[in-house]
Amino acid sequence: QLQLQESGPGLVKPSETLSLTCSVSGDSISSSSFLWGWIRQAPGTGLEWIGSILYRGSTYYNPSLKSRVTISVDTSKNQFSLKVNSVTAADTAVYYCARLIRANRYFDLWGRGTLVTVSS
Amino acid sequence: QSALTQPASVSGSPGQPITISCTGTSSDVGAYTFVSWYQKHPGKAPKLVIYEVSERPSGVSNRFSGSKSGNTASLTISGLQAEDEADYYCCSYTGTTTSDIIFGGGTKLTVL
Repeated sequence: QLQLQESGPGLVKPSETLSLTCSVSGDSISSSSFLWGWIRQAPGTGLEWIGSILYRGSTYYNPSLKSRVTISVDTSKNQFSLKVNSVTAADTAVYYCARLIRANRYFDLWGRGTLVTVSS
Repeated sequence: QSALTQPASVSGSPGQPITISCTGTSSDVGAYTFVSWYQKHPGKAPKLVIYEVSERPSGVSNRFSGSKSGNTASLTISGLQAEDEADYYCCSYTGTTTSDIIFGGGTKLTVL
């Protein structure tokens, strides 16, 4: 059964870079049927799509975050990663990784999420 | 890119039906059948309850149904149960190479 697990620092200082990794187990990340995405939820707010990536490296980003976000994939490790530059308190959120069905654009499997706090 | 518009809250009594609306534009909800809905309990990961406007994943109760008319999609839960109390989010494909996905602002469902 496919599982996704987020990992990375839970505390990041303002102006630094937030880095998270999503490890995929139970199946290969190298399938053209899926995109792999990052979604976040800041305290008291709704879900916000950050971006998605295909195993070959094609990326799609939320326009509001595009200038600060990079999503990459490492097929040899069956992982994909998120970097957010120049973070502020507004980037404090629970970050989820998820599998996106490419043909129909819905998220069918999610990680449990990881809380990242931006604070000095 | 503005979020899809959902009511902030809805409520209903056990056994009653409720409907949550999700309004977008002719570029997202109105243009594609790629509308999905997610149930989110506090502290838990979102769970897919509807995809492609009205399709129900295996294991999701048939009390959940979806529909779409023009630029507005809807999620209906019939026979409300206490366990349905959660936040619900709609999501749509936007069809642009620079964006792709947009979520609604979320609706808090309270079972009275």
